[in-house]
Amino acid sequence: LAKTTQPVSMDSYEGQEVNITCSHNNIATNDYITWYQQFPSQGPRFIIQGYKTKVTNEVASLFIPADRKSSTLSLPRVSLSDTAVYYCLVGDMARNYGQNFVFGPGTRLSVLP
Amino acid sequence: KAGVTQTPRYLIKTRGQQVTLSCSPISGHRSVSWYQQTPGQGLQFLFEYFSETQRNKGNFPGRFSGRQFSNSRSEMNVSTLELGDSALYLCASSLGLAGGRSSYEQYFGPGTRLTVT
Repeated sequence: LAKTTQPVSMDSYEGQEVNITCSHNNIATNDYITWYQQFPSQGPRFIIQGYKTKVTNEVASLFIPADRKSSTLSLPRVSLSDTAVYYCLVGDMARNYGQNFVFGPGTRLSVLP
Repeated sequence: KAGVTQTPRYLIKTRGQQVTLSCSPISGHRSVSWYQQTPGQGLQFLFEYFSETQRNKGNFPGRFSGRQFSNSRSEMNVSTLELGDSALYLCASSLGLAGGRSSYEQYFGPGTRLTVT
């Protein structure tokens, strides 16, 4: 199971682009990278998932370099409502399913007005 | 499409009692997973059910058990409650792909906050 490392916290201002980087040096060939967002007293919400290069959806972009040892979640033009904890998960869902969902402390993003 | 629902939302129990939590997944989702979230340990996987069978299990004692019904609804039971079982219990559903693979995209419910006194 690839262990992940993320910054504990980040601050940003409304309207700015926020990039949260996750390190996963031991990522395996079959592992995917998945990001979740969690607001206080709510369950996590799936944001985006990728395997390599770049993935973009209506919420965020995920950048994965060729060596896949890190990934960057990019949130364009954040607003106050983006204040939340962001989790990076790495794993192969066909194996070690349960171990893939140890969320860790995540990155606490605070968006300031 | 309705989201994942969990009942009850809040629960207070005393040590030694048992508790049953309920989860209704999104319509069409066949996989239901349960998680425990505490400030100290973060969010940890308990188990996953797919088509009424426990497919994956986390590292929790046997006091934690679950089951899934034919309509994919799931229940989680904790027997002989301990103070350390106080937590937010989250249920998540996903399509639960066939052939042993599971979907990476899970949809979480609002959780049941259990307090053990």
